[in-house]
Amino acid sequence: GAVVSQHPSWVICKSGTSVKIECRSLDFQATTMFWYRQFPKKSLMLMATSNEGSKATYEQGVEKDKFLINHASLTLSTLTVTSAHPEDSSFYICSANRWGQGNTEAFFGQGTRLTVV
Amino acid sequence: GENVEQHPSTLSVQEGDSAVIKCTYSDSASNYFPWYKQELGKRPQLIIDIRSNVGEKKDQRIAVTLNKTAKHFSLHITETQPEDSAVYFCALRDDYKLSFGAGTTVTVRA
Repeated sequence: GAVVSQHPSWVICKSGTSVKIECRSLDFQATTMFWYRQFPKKSLMLMATSNEGSKATYEQGVEKDKFLINHASLTLSTLTVTSAHPEDSSFYICSANRWGQGNTEAFFGQGTRLTVV
Repeated sequence: GENVEQHPSTLSVQEGDSAVIKCTYSDSASNYFPWYKQELGKRPQLIIDIRSNVGEKKDQRIAVTLNKTAKHFSLHITETQPEDSAVYFCALRDDYKLSFGAGTTVTVRA
């Protein structure tokens, strides 16, 4: 099956620093990727849609200057949490849609546990 | 995104019994309804999905039913086993984006 790889799996950073998370589709091209945030015991909240070669589309309430998204190739999207604060600590998950047989299925990365201290 | 209501939020069942989770939605344009299983700290895993032209789909112990008129779909797990314990999310696709239900924590008691 299709594989989406997310890196790093976990990261601890100091307040005020920036952290970059990578999301790669390993065996298919993805013109669109999605970034989610998940709080403990909560559902996945869509943060933004990453579009290859163009600007990301952010959901309401998500600060685009805080969460920078770059989708420079058909297999890689990055999420940079800028000037991180403890309240940014969360589980971040990406996904990519793959077309096949007239249908689209979402494949998820393994997630990144961010802890800001 | 599309609002998806999921019930119950927690479900405890005896091993061997069935578990049923229900989701309702409001956007009649939705045509794809996946269910995901997520274990603690792991990625969501697709366990079954259904499209709007089908009313029911089954895969071994897991089945999903869809009622487009009433705008609800349900997950049925039969003969539950301890390894079925996890958080389950319903979702639907709206303009290529997935909207998720709040999740159901399923605990299977041995």
